[in-house]
Order: sequence, then structure tokens, then C-alpha cells
Amino acid sequence: EAQVTQNPRYLITVTGKKLTVTCSQNMNHEYMSWYRQDPGLGLRQIYYSMNVEVTDKGDVPEGYKVSRKEKRNFPLILESPSPNQTSLYFCASSLAGPSSYNEQFFGPGTRLTVL
Amino acid sequence: DQQVKQNSPSLSVQEGRISILNCDYTNSMFDYFLWYKKYPAEGPTFLISISSIKDKNEDGRFTVFLNKSAKHLSLHIVPSQPGDSAVYFCAATSSGANNLFFGTGTRLTVIP
Repeated sequence: EAQVTQNPRYLITVTGKKLTVTCSQNMNHEYMSWYRQDPGLGLRQIYYSMNVEVTDKGDVPEGYKVSRKEKRNFPLILESPSPNQTSLYFCASSLAGPSSYNEQFFGPGTRLTVL
Repeated sequence: DQQVKQNSPSLSVQEGRISILNCDYTNSMFDYFLWYKKYPAEGPTFLISISSIKDKNEDGRFTVFLNKSAKHLSLHIVPSQPGDSAVYFCAATSSGANNLFFGTGTRLTVIP
């Protein structure tokens, strides 16, 4: 089954404790992206990747890191989480970037709480 | 600054009637628009899209209208069904861009 998977689905952590949220897709997609969803703000893009070893900042990259060492995986790293990073996070992938008019496929989301 | 706006946070409609969800954008470079639907505890799923060379795109019960001069698009659902109850996000991008900009979402409730 074609899908985007994220782990963990739920995470409660404390300020400053490094964490990684994994994202994997099995559709051989080139483009992958991370979003956060917050009440009243909708979905905002954090980082995206056009292909292996090619990543770039989205609208709200501060406090986050990403890497794309393999085509299928795009982990989101919070080196020193803070309470304002409490949010619902979505990973997405598509065959090519948005300008190629591709729909994005989203993972199920990771709800992160930083105390 | 929000480049894609959905000014109605929520909408309630009777089953069988038409649902109209609205979306406005500020960036005149946007030339491709999408609607996504999101159920609780799931990721958004693609619903329908439209490119700026068209002013209407239809897929079954779903039709998206684009008014470029007004920088406005709308999603019509006819007839509305209880299973359509979800949060709907509009999104926009432009040729050559690598970002997708989302609106804040509209929660649609279809009352049986």
C-alpha cells in the first residue's frame, strides 16, 4: 500500500531534550516536506526536500533541522525543543515539487507536546 | 503574513444542500490551487485542484471555481453528505516555486 508513515504518532517531552520524528514514504517520491498545524494558523511549511541531499527552508524553519540521506526518509530533528514547538506535525511527499502540479500525500501526523 | 486565507473557520449545512467553502489569496503569482480534506486523527488528503488557465474544475460532487481578478476560489459540494464533515484546507503555489501555502482551514459540519 502506497503510504507515508510517521513515528511516533504521539510524543510528550521536556524542554531541551533532543528528539527526532521519522518520516518514510514508499512511493519513490522525490519531493518531501514537513508541516506543522496550529489552531488559527493552518498548515505551515517547515522544511522541504527536492531530492536526496537537497533541502531548503519553508516558512517556519527556526528550531528545526532535517536531513535527506535516502530518498524514502526525511526525518525532522528538534535539537532543543521548546514549548512553542508543541504542535501537530505532518510529513508529506509527492512525485515532484509543487510547481509540477503534483498532489502531496500526507502522513497521519505526530502530535508533539513540549513541557 | 498569510498569503492564503480562509475567513470562515466553520460552516454548518443540512444534508443534501450545497456547501460553499471560500478561499482568498494575496499573491498574484499563484497559478495552481488545491483543496485538501482532513478528518480527525488523519493527515490531509487531496480533493481537487485547478490551474489558473481554467475558471472551473469539476469532479463528481465537488467543483472548484477560480476568480483570478478577485484572487478568490471556492469549493462547492453538491449534495452535501454527513461523510463530508471535515476540515477543508485550500492551498496555492506558483510555477517554479517549491513551497505550498495553505489556508487556515474551514470546519464543515453536514447535519443529517
